[in-house]
Amino acid sequence: DGGITQSPKYLFRKEGQNVTLSCEQNLNHDAMYWYRQDPGQGLRLIYYSQIVNDFQKGDIAEGYSVSREKKESFPLTVTSAQKNPTAFYLCASSILGETGAGETQYFGPGTRLLVL
Amino acid sequence: AQKITQTQPGMFVQEKEAVTLDCTYDTSDQSYGLFWYKQPSSGEMIFLIYQGSYDEQNATEGRYSLNFQKARKSANLVISASQLGDSAMYFCAMRERYNNNDMRFGAGTRLTVKP
Repeated sequence: DGGITQSPKYLFRKEGQNVTLSCEQNLNHDAMYWYRQDPGQGLRLIYYSQIVNDFQKGDIAEGYSVSREKKESFPLTVTSAQKNPTAFYLCASSILGETGAGETQYFGPGTRLLVL
Repeated sequence: AQKITQTQPGMFVQEKEAVTLDCTYDTSDQSYGLFWYKQPSSGEMIFLIYQGSYDEQNATEGRYSLNFQKARKSANLVISASQLGDSAMYFCAMRERYNNNDMRFGAGTRLTVKP
């Protein structure tokens, strides 16, 4: 089945530690995105990528890094510089179409990051 | 600036009745897309329905329909014949044509369906 997978489901981070969240898609989508969701709030964009080896910062990129070495994969690293990383992280992907506005983003199941 | 506003933090509806979840948006673009997502307690975001700014008809998908009033910049979601499984968070989102990688989400509405 086509879809987006994220792992792990839960992740615990110690102080000063970098952790990496995995996101893989087999939908053949060009664009991939990372969002952060805090309790009771909507989603905020961290990073996005339209093509392999290229990515752009979103609204809250500080303390995060990404890579896009393969079309299918867009891992997110939460660095020690992110002082408040406890949140729910959602990865999404979409096609890049001509209209620009109408391409639906499809989401993975999410990773919940907790700080020890 | 806040681009998507969902004014109802929580809503209750009786099973089998219809419910409307409100969404207003702000954009100066003429071309944009509006989306509704459902987020059950498991956390994943499930796409429900899409409305393009140039679509003349209101979008419908099964029990979901979108009441699109362009002049008022509103895109309310109507769920007909509510089911217990509809209890979840619902998010309205917008994507602008010339900023097509920036999907803006509202704060969400928590819908509870009562038996």
